Amino acid sequence: QQPVQSPQAVILREGEDAVINCSSSKALYSVHWYRQKHGEAPVFLMILLKGGEQKGHEKISASFNEKKQQSSLYLTASQLSYSGTYFCGTERLDRGGTSYGKLTFGQGTILTVHP
Amino acid sequence: DVKVTQSSRYLVKRTGEKVFLECVQDMDHENMFWYRQDPGLGLRLIYFSYDVKMKEKGDIPEGYSVSREKKERFSLILESASTNQTSMYLCASTLNRVGSGANVLTFGAGSRLTVL
Repeated sequence: QQPVQSPQAVILREGEDAVINCSSSKALYSVHWYRQKHGEAPVFLMILLKGGEQKGHEKISASFNEKKQQSSLYLTASQLSYSGTYFCGTERLDRGGTSYGKLTFGQGTILTVHP
Repeated sequence: DVKVTQSSRYLVKRTGEKVFLECVQDMDHENMFWYRQDPGLGLRLIYFSYDVKMKEKGDIPEGYSVSREKKERFSLILESASTNQTSMYLCASTLNRVGSGANVLTFGAGSRLTVL
C-alpha cells in the first residue's frame, strides 16, 4: 500500500517555506526522500531511519515520527532550484530483516517556486 | 558516480508488439529495480532482482517479465504491449547493505514508452 503524501501541489515565492508530509499505514524501517526535476531522474535527498531522527541537507530537513509512521520534509527559504516533484519512499524489512532497498513511493508533491 | 543507463529514452510501439527495455549499471550493485511512473500515482514497483537470475514481483507485475543474465544488466519485457502500458519506466539500483539503512536508489533517466 502506497504512503499518502500531502499536499499534492505547492506554489511558493522565493524565500517562503513549505512542508510536505508522508503518511504510512504500515510499520516502517526507514523513509527516503527524492526530488525529480522535469525530464530528469529522481535524485536522492535524504534518508530517515526509525528512531525519530531528523536530518538536514542545507536548507532542506526532514523528520520521522515512528509512532505515527509519518515523515515530513521541511524546505526553508525556498530557492528557484527547489522546484520539482518530491517523492517519499518507505522501506519495510521482511521477516529475514532484508529489504534490498525496495521502496514504496507516494504519489508525489509538485513544488513550484516563483521569483 | 554510479551510473544507471537506460538504452532508450523514447519508444513508440504498436499494440501486441514485444518490447524490451534495457538497463545497465556500472558500479557492481547487487539489486536492480524497474518502476513505472504515472501522473498522480507516483512510482510503482514492477519487478526487482537481488542477484543474477533471481527476481521477485513488485506491486504491479502483471503484463511484464524481467531478465537478469548478468549482474550489471536488467531487462524489462512486455510480451504483448497494450495501450495501458503507455508510461515512463524507471530503472534503479542499490548496493546490498542489508539492514543498514543505506540502500539508496540510483535511478536511470527513464524510458518513455508510448503504445499505439
